Amino acid sequence: GAVVSQHPSRVICKSGTSVKIECRSLDFQATTMFWYRQFPKQSLMLMATSNEGSKATYEQGVEKDKFLINHASLTLSTLTVTSAHPEDSSFYICSAQEGAANEKLFFGSGTQLSVL
Amino acid sequence: AQTVTQSQPEMSVQEAETVTLSCTYDTSESDYYLFWYKQPPSRQMILVIRQEAYKQQNATENRFSVNFQKAAKSFSLKISDSQLGDAAMYFCAYRSPPLGNKLVFGAGTILRVKS
Repeated sequence: GAVVSQHPSRVICKSGTSVKIECRSLDFQATTMFWYRQFPKQSLMLMATSNEGSKATYEQGVEKDKFLINHASLTLSTLTVTSAHPEDSSFYICSAQEGAANEKLFFGSGTQLSVL
Repeated sequence: AQTVTQSQPEMSVQEAETVTLSCTYDTSESDYYLFWYKQPPSRQMILVIRQEAYKQQNATENRFSVNFQKAAKSFSLKISDSQLGDAAMYFCAYRSPPLGNKLVFGAGTILRVKS
């Protein structure tokens, strides 16, 4: 099946710094990518939807200036957490859609962000 | 807005036995997709099974099968011959066309498998 590579798997940073998370589709073109956030033992909460070459669409309550999403190519999307604070500590997961007519989404392995 | 409800926070099953996880959803759409995802301790999301709403036949994937009741908006997952490796968090999810739409997840059910 299609593979989505997400890096880093774990990152620890100091409060106030920025962290970039990458999500790559390795063997397919991802027209749409989704970024989710997950707290322990809870469900996945959608943060934003990005289409290649377009600005991301953010869910209500998600700060656009804090969670910067770039989807510059059909194989790469990035999420940058700017000026991270301890409350941003969470598990972040990306998922990608192959093409425009595929109902299945493929997930990255996730990134555990810990802000000290 | 579409919602997905999983009313069982935790379930337990004896190894080799059968367990059913419940899921209901709310939508006004007639065409959509339903999924069950498994999230083991590694936290990698794994697609278990999917169902197209226009298909009356219930989907099956080896030991996994669904009971799709469109009128009742119910989509339960049956795991037969449970194995220790089935222990995980299971999420029911809904997706409607157009296919750029997001996947809406239920709250999840933790499945424990006893040996």
